[in-house]
Amino acid sequence: DAGVIQSPRHEVTEMGQEVTLRCKPISGHDYLFWYRQTMMRGLELLIYFNNNVPIDDSGMPEDRFSAKMPNASFSTLKIQPSEPRDSAVYFCASSHHLGNQPQHFGDGTRLSIL
Amino acid sequence: AQSVTQPDIHITVSEGASLELRCNYSYGATPYLFWYVQSPGQGLQLLLKYFSGDTLVQGIKGFEAEFKRSQSSFNLRKPSVHWSDAAEYFCAVGAEAGKSTFGDGTTLTVKP
Repeated sequence: DAGVIQSPRHEVTEMGQEVTLRCKPISGHDYLFWYRQTMMRGLELLIYFNNNVPIDDSGMPEDRFSAKMPNASFSTLKIQPSEPRDSAVYFCASSHHLGNQPQHFGDGTRLSIL
Repeated sequence: AQSVTQPDIHITVSEGASLELRCNYSYGATPYLFWYVQSPGQGLQLLLKYFSGDTLVQGIKGFEAEFKRSQSSFNLRKPSVHWSDAAEYFCAVGAEAGKSTFGDGTTLTVKP
């Protein structure tokens, strides 16, 4: 059973460039989460979807960040324009239900903005 | 609102020694509780979960956790730590219709 797949694993780009992170959730899971992890702020929930619909995007830091889920097997997190303070590890996770089921995490995308 | 506190930011134990990582939660009803482990360069992996029933829960890699309602705690234990257990550990609490809340994590260092 394939787990959550994220790509790319590493991304290094210059400030001002557009960055797109990709996630394929586990088949059959109806919730998808995007997290950001930094040393300073720990693990932060950015946004989550239910059945491809964004439910709570209150964690998205600013308008430069956007997320989409065009179908049940694919989601993107986009940063445009990127800034050095966006450097972090971004995780995607999926689950069958919301709070009463464990989340399955991908291995993350390590993003460095120069 | 639910919340999770992991009082210990960093713990160091010797290989072969016992381990206990603390987790305290705040939630009005019976919570769903989880422990996850994160090894360097990887995502979080579920160690164990508590939903109801027996308050002592067994997980993978020889870990167990005990739910104590009176203390609002869900501490993680392992009788004998291996060097490969060095990682960051996260406690999380979930609700039936609400998203999970994660603690800030505890980093475990294992001394040879």
